[in-house]
Amino acid sequence: SQTIHQWPATLVQPVGSPLSLECTVEGTSNPNLYWYRQAAGRGLQLLFYSVGIGQISSEVPQNLSASRPQDRQFILSSKKLLLSDSGFYLCAWSVQGGSGELFFGEGSRLTVL
Amino acid sequence: AQSVTQLGSHVSVSEGALVLLRCNYSSSVPPYLFWYVQYPNQGLQLLLKYTSAATLVKGINGFEAEFKKSETSFHLTKPSAHMSDAAEYFCAVSENTGFQKLVFGTGTRLLVSP
Repeated sequence: SQTIHQWPATLVQPVGSPLSLECTVEGTSNPNLYWYRQAAGRGLQLLFYSVGIGQISSEVPQNLSASRPQDRQFILSSKKLLLSDSGFYLCAWSVQGGSGELFFGEGSRLTVL
Repeated sequence: AQSVTQLGSHVSVSEGALVLLRCNYSSSVPPYLFWYVQYPNQGLQLLLKYTSAATLVKGINGFEAEFKKSETSFHLTKPSAHMSDAAEYFCAVSENTGFQKLVFGTGTRLLVSP
């Protein structure tokens, strides 16, 4: 069966520090991969998605970047965090050519102080 | 482009009462529709999905939803609420063409009182 893991689960970082959140999927090949952010009291905002290694699409211009160095690995990064980057970050995957159904990781809570 | 509207950011019910969470969608082509549930500090879990088969879809935990094309709605219901149903619920739509990308509503928090 397929599983998705993301880490770290919780992160407290000072403004201006770098960020790296990692997500890996097991039990499937060639998945579509996604990063969402959920700010307090708000819905889910799609940040990035990827249909293959090295292929990244950005939905919103911002302080973050994403990379897909391997088929089932998706990384969210920032060189310098802002206060507004605080939130709950969710990685997800879907089957290529499927209905779009997303399978979510457990989430990473980022607090920028 | 597709979009989803969830009416009511908070819905309160008593234990044992009917749960009704509303979702209306906009899509230029036949949509796929989803309901997800999120418990505090967890990821989202799929409750049910509509992918152009039966219009009444049954999901986990006793939830069901009915696709009504004429009303562009996909409301979520459960006959009798449990305390464990307290969570946030998200409706989502993806269009049945090309790359499938889900668009989520802003969510509805369900509160269940004893």
